[in-house]
Amino acid sequence: DTAVSQTPKYLVTQMGNDKSIKCEQNLGHDTMYWYKQDSKKFLKIMFSYNNKELIINETVPNRFSPKSPDKAHLNLHINSLELGDSAVYFCASSQDRWQGVGELFFGEGSRLTVL
Amino acid sequence: AQTVTQSQPEMSVQEAETVTLSCTYDTSESDYYLFWYKQPPSRQMILVIRQEAYKQQNATENRFSVNFQKAAKSFSLKISDSQLGDAAMYFCAFGEPDSNYQLIWGAGTKLIIKP
Repeated sequence: DTAVSQTPKYLVTQMGNDKSIKCEQNLGHDTMYWYKQDSKKFLKIMFSYNNKELIINETVPNRFSPKSPDKAHLNLHINSLELGDSAVYFCASSQDRWQGVGELFFGEGSRLTVL
Repeated sequence: AQTVTQSQPEMSVQEAETVTLSCTYDTSESDYYLFWYKQPPSRQMILVIRQEAYKQQNATENRFSVNFQKAAKSFSLKISDSQLGDAAMYFCAFGEPDSNYQLIWGAGTKLIIKP
């Protein structure tokens, strides 16, 4: 039974399109995250929600909008996709409010390719 | 600014041998948390080992152990009896109260296991 699951695992789309990635965790955690991993494997935090409250909102284009309908779900919507948005997007969750204290549990990632 | 440096972009080791991955970090805090995460080719990131800075004893998890040198701000990961399944990207990260425990990630080290 997958702890943190993301869908879809792969997206290939054209520039200018809008796409969404969904994430669900069944660990009972209060905090969820979106990370972006670029082609050089560098990880960057994008957003974090604690019990549906946005607690980390890094400097990302406002074309990226997270939404947490409940504490088990965190979705990422991207408008007007650009070539530079191509990356692997990881969802994660943690029991702790802060990512740098306890263990992070990651999903398998969603590879987005913008043509 | 807080930084995490992994000076080895790639390491290789013979199966059954021991390998050490290096990590240094910069902080003025005395209390913080350090992590090593593993990302196999399947992409899902998993926690390998965690160290609390106030604990002098080095953390160990089976074949994985750390050499935590607080004064030198060094946190290296030793993998004993390397196995083919250890092949992955390894990321060092730390979280400290000064930045609300936001994780600071290293650039990663790719570990290759030679059969």
